[in-house]
Amino acid sequence: GIQVEQSPPDLILQEGANSTLRCNFSDSVNNLQWFHQNPWGQLINLFYIPSGTKQNGRLSATTVATERYSLLYISSSQTTDSGVYFCAVASGGSYIPTFGRGTSLIVHP
Amino acid sequence: NAGVMQNPRHLVRRRGQEARLRCSPVKGHSHVYWYRQLPEEGLKFMVYLQKENIIDESGMPKERFSAEFPKEGPSILRIQQVVRGDSAAYFCASSQDLQETQYFGPGTRLLVL
Repeated sequence: GIQVEQSPPDLILQEGANSTLRCNFSDSVNNLQWFHQNPWGQLINLFYIPSGTKQNGRLSATTVATERYSLLYISSSQTTDSGVYFCAVASGGSYIPTFGRGTSLIVHP
Repeated sequence: NAGVMQNPRHLVRRRGQEARLRCSPVKGHSHVYWYRQLPEEGLKFMVYLQKENIIDESGMPKERFSAEFPKEGPSILRIQQVVRGDSAAYFCASSQDLQETQYFGPGTRLLVL
């Protein structure tokens, strides 16, 4: 099956800093989603982005399907951005996503 | 997150007991997915169901685990004769169509003593 690798595994930021999270995948993509799992365990949809660029407030994402990667940008980070960010990719003939291991983000005040 | 409901939120069972996890999808969604998350790991797909049908159960253990999504009522993930290794967070997601965004519920944290 498809391999999904996220980097960095851990990230510590000062409030106000910007960051880029990366998701590499090993096969052609049918769909790709970014999620934020908050410290209480809730999974929150951020983007559905099999290709192209999307923006939502301080967050934006870009997927370059031909080069098999996606990037999540967080600008002016806030303490509420803390949590784990997952990339989930479906490929081949399947629309069932495979999740990466996540990037754990801590934003200090 | 668009109204996927799961209950209970926390469940404690002793080894050998049965665990029943319930999921009510977003109103109008007929596609339901179950995932398991072990500590410090991402989510692993278990089973995909449409109303009254199991479409893909490739991620679900062959023994002790079963899932259903009846015509009426919530989807049920059932674990018989639980063991300590079943302790995990179990998430349900739903979508309007297979190719659409999946919306996740809050999860059920199962602890097996």
